[in-house]
Amino acid sequence: AQSVSQHNHHVILSEAASLELGCNYSYGGTVNLFWYVQYPGQHLQLLLKYFSGDPLVKGIKGFEAEFIKSKFSFNLRKPSVQWSDTAEYFCAVTRAWGNNRLAFGKGNQVVVIP
Amino acid sequence: EPEVTQTPSHQVTQMGQEVILRCVPISNHLYFYWYRQILGQKVEFLVSFYNNEISEKSEIFDDQFSVERPDGSNFTLKIRSTKLEDSAMYFCASKTGGDNSPLHFGNGTRLTVT
Repeated sequence: AQSVSQHNHHVILSEAASLELGCNYSYGGTVNLFWYVQYPGQHLQLLLKYFSGDPLVKGIKGFEAEFIKSKFSFNLRKPSVQWSDTAEYFCAVTRAWGNNRLAFGKGNQVVVIP
Repeated sequence: EPEVTQTPSHQVTQMGQEVILRCVPISNHLYFYWYRQILGQKVEFLVSFYNNEISEKSEIFDDQFSVERPDGSNFTLKIRSTKLEDSAMYFCASKTGGDNSPLHFGNGTRLTVT
């Protein structure tokens, strides 16, 4: 079964700082990759996704992620964070074919200080 | 934008009691899911449902759990005899279908078993 690792569970940074969250997965086949965000008191929302094509994916709110197949990674980045980016961020992976269950990472709790 | 809605937002129950968690998926979606997140742990897949039957379930989804789509709009998760370790946030999700469609999540129901 596929699994997802996210490191640095708690991240604290100041506004305008750059953010990078690591995500590594273990599955040798073709995958679909996602980043979800959960703002305080709200539901999981899709931030961006990768299925195929350009490995650099741009999502909402200025976020982007890069799929590096050789490293089994799908790191999330934002060049300049805002206070409103305070949230928990989850990386998730599913097989491209077959069962579509999502395997989630443990999440990164990001706190942006004004 | 249409949303997946879940009720109640918070449910408190005593150990051994039955609970039903309710979800209304997005109306044109065909695939339905339940996930849960125990505090401090990963979001875990429980079950997927398509064409009025379970298509896949995890090892967590034992005989104490059941799902139902009683009408054209609701999708419920029943836990027959709750245990303390069932305390978690339960997320319902749905998608239109096909491998390239992302999941849309509800806000979750926080279940507390005392």
